[in-house]
Amino acid sequence: DIQMTQSPSSVSASVGDRVTITCRASQGISSWLAWYQQKPGKAPKLLIYAASSLQSGVPSRFSGSGSGTDFTLTISSLQPEDFATYYCQQANSFPLFGGGTKVEIK
Amino acid sequence: EVQLVESGGGLVQPGGSLRLSCAASGFTFSSYAMHWVRQAPGKGLEYVSAISSNGGSTYYANSVKGRFTISRDNSKNTLYLQMGSLRAEDMAVYYCARVNYYDSSGYYYEYWGQGTLVTVSS
Repeated sequence: DIQMTQSPSSVSASVGDRVTITCRASQGISSWLAWYQQKPGKAPKLLIYAASSLQSGVPSRFSGSGSGTDFTLTISSLQPEDFATYYCQQANSFPLFGGGTKVEIK
Repeated sequence: EVQLVESGGGLVQPGGSLRLSCAASGFTFSSYAMHWVRQAPGKGLEYVSAISSNGGSTYYANSVKGRFTISRDNSKNTLYLQMGSLRAEDMAVYYCARVNYYDSSGYYYEYWGQGTLVTVSS
């Protein structure tokens, strides 16, 4: 079975920082990867699909890259509204989420 | 405006049953596959079940196979999740999500409901 591993599990950062979150698949998944943002008490929100395609309406400071087994979500300049938990998701055949990365205020 | 509204959550005893509903509006419900995704308190997201647009194909996570049944009524624009033999580990917020496909087999969840809480406790 495919495993999705996110790192780090949490990161402390300041407004304006560049933040990078990594997602690794235990076997190649081409570009079948999505990223979601979730705030407490809310449903997840789609940020990126197909590994690097920015969902409509999502700020351009969010970007995704990677293919095969290694993927990255980058927030180029962290804003106050970006403090949240981020999940990657294997997006082909069986849906599988990474464990999440909590972005906290430093 | 696309809306997904879950209902039916609540407190149920271990071994009990519950049926969740997800009322869809703002899009052609019968054209989209739908999934259920859950989140245990303080935990991450977990896929539960999937159903094709016409209801002809269904899929389940191993953790719920044989206990949960997904279905849909396209005439009522409603998705269902019948949950049986409930266990403490089934306690979670349950979300319905609309599936968008791309490149023939990739997909993502563009729209989610607000979630409904299922509490399993005696």
